[in-house]
Amino acid sequence: VQLQESGPGLVKPSGTLSLTCAVTGGSISSDNRWIWVRQSPEKGLEFIGEIDHSGIVFYNPSLESRVTMSIDKSNNLFSLKLNSVTAADTAVYFCAREAEPAVRHYYGVDVWGPGTTVTVSS
Amino acid sequence: DILLTQSPATLSLSPGERATLSCRASRSVSSYLVWYQQKPGQPPRLLIYDASHRASGIPARFSGSGSGTDFTLTISSLEPEDFAVYYCQHRNNWITFGQGTRLEIK
Repeated sequence: VQLQESGPGLVKPSGTLSLTCAVTGGSISSDNRWIWVRQSPEKGLEFIGEIDHSGIVFYNPSLESRVTMSIDKSNNLFSLKLNSVTAADTAVYFCAREAEPAVRHYYGVDVWGPGTTVTVSS
Repeated sequence: DILLTQSPATLSLSPGERATLSCRASRSVSSYLVWYQQKPGQPPRLLIYDASHRASGIPARFSGSGSGTDFTLTISSLEPEDFAVYYCQHRNNWITFGQGTRLEIK
């Protein structure tokens, strides 16, 4: 399985950041969770949210009011929208796959996209 | 949620030396802890899952131990390609990461 992020690299303050993650080599309808993580020097690695094949989402409470994630099973991709962005949202954004859950085990995030840099600036 | 604290922030060692990195959880996470390696310009790479199991393709010089609140990642004999940043991670209600340990060449 491979993941690839795409979307604008520059977003204006107060605008909406929109990214898509294309999944190849496997089905997005598997039992994995599909996640977004961002990384900045100030905050390190930060979980943004997750979505499963049913469309069930969970967002980081610190970002919940501004985040929307969606899944497109017909095109094998999932998406992120973050609105009302500020300079603090400037980061490298990764899409990733969390390994399928198992009882009494945690296998971690086993597949990552290469990441895409998003800068918030006018 | 659970806070993961890594120490030291920076570790300076030479190739061939043994590296010991620590991750402490604010409350017990059982053995549900994962370690990653990240090099500049790359995404994190899964090293260890379930606190002590090497992921596929990870060299035997990497080992993890611990349970509950205290965890250790050990690199038995450092190779030049091991100098990177290492993160621990746990999932409770959501995914949380430690702040990372930078392993640099002395």
